[in-house]
Amino acid sequence: GAGVSQSPSNKVTEKGKDVELRCDPISGHTALYWYRQSLGQGLEFLIYFQGNSAPDKSGLPSDRFSAERTGGSVSTLTIQRTQQEDSAVYLCASLRGGWGTQYFGPGTRLLVL
Amino acid sequence: GIQVEQSPPDLILQEGANSTLRCNFSDSVNNLQWFHQNPWGQLINLFYIPSGTKQNGRLSATTVATERYSLLYISSSQTTDSGVYFCAVENLPGNTGKLIFGQGTTLQVKP
Repeated sequence: GAGVSQSPSNKVTEKGKDVELRCDPISGHTALYWYRQSLGQGLEFLIYFQGNSAPDKSGLPSDRFSAERTGGSVSTLTIQRTQQEDSAVYLCASLRGGWGTQYFGPGTRLLVL
Repeated sequence: GIQVEQSPPDLILQEGANSTLRCNFSDSVNNLQWFHQNPWGQLINLFYIPSGTKQNGRLSATTVATERYSLLYISSSQTTDSGVYFCAVENLPGNTGKLIFGQGTTLQVKP
């Protein structure tokens, strides 16, 4: 597509539920990133994919967070047993190759009640 | 890990004024990007500038990698320039593209 797309735009869930966030990168971009933006922590790196592999998962905050990428394209970030501190904007970015300009999607605003 | 500090944290300008935003980083980098986050939360690329100077319309940026800082210049500011400006870097010897963000500068341009 023309840009990075993310769905849903907004998600409200109850504490303890699981959520799935989706990212569609720019076509042909082999690298994909998830970041999180929250009031207290700013913008933080979560995980990096090169193709379908995730060589850097160092930013995932706990084992409740996981992500996968299939077909070198779409990625899903899953948060299990959501907690209120998971409320944030989850941003996805993609990059052609391993360096250069990262392009960000519009984000998913997650609110855990 | 690498530290990224942006200044000033907040800036209020009258329309038409010029401004300079600064980004200091604590270690060598191989990637530096400036972003503008608009009021709807979208991060918009301004510059990919690990070194040197670039210009795009009323905006320009300079990175002096050896002295570990980057500057973003906004000239003849407009109300549409309002929002948060982020600097983000990738620490050497990184080759993954993983970005570390500063805390941002919040700019408000008044008509």
